Amino acid sequence: GAVVSQHPSWVICKSGTSVKIECRSLDFQATTMFWYRQFPKQSLMLMATSNEGSKATYEQGVEKDKFLINHASLTLSTLTVTSAHPEDSSFYICSASNPGHNYEQYFGPGTRLTVT
Amino acid sequence: KQEVTQIPAALSVPEGENLVLNCSFTDSAIYNLQWFRQDPGKGLTSLLLIQSSQREQTSGRLNASLDKSSGRSTLYIAASQPGDSATYLCAVSDAGKSTFGDGTTLTVKP
Repeated sequence: GAVVSQHPSWVICKSGTSVKIECRSLDFQATTMFWYRQFPKQSLMLMATSNEGSKATYEQGVEKDKFLINHASLTLSTLTVTSAHPEDSSFYICSASNPGHNYEQYFGPGTRLTVT
Repeated sequence: KQEVTQIPAALSVPEGENLVLNCSFTDSAIYNLQWFRQDPGKGLTSLLLIQSSQREQTSGRLNASLDKSSGRSTLYIAASQPGDSATYLCAVSDAGKSTFGDGTTLTVKP
């Protein structure tokens, strides 16, 4: 099946710093990617839809100035958590939708962010 | 707004039992439905994808059904094994964006 990678797989940063997470679709072109957040023992919540070549669409309650999304190519979307705080500590998962395969979503392995 | 509910929230069974996990959704205008497995601290593993025009999909000991009109899907696991212990997530998609249920945490005891 299709593969989506994320980097890094885990990161620890100090409060106030910014962290960038990369999501790559390795074997298909993804005009649309999605970013989810998962808190411990909770399900995945959609944060934003990343659109190649245009601005991301954010879900209600997600601060667009805090979670910067860039989708500069058909295989790469990045999520930057700016001025991170401990409450931003979470598991961030991206997915890419493959229109050539019935819009099946392929999920990355996730990035564990811990803000100290 | 789409809402996805999974019942039960947790399930513990002895090894060898057949079991059914349930998923319901409020908006039947879906493109597809996927079942995922998530192990603690790990990402998602896709188990089965059912297109909105399909009724069921099978993979090994897993069988997923979809009744779009009633907003329900079930995941049937035959002859459960301790290695099946994980959280199972149901997600409905409108051609890309997915809405997830809260999951069913399954424990299969040896």
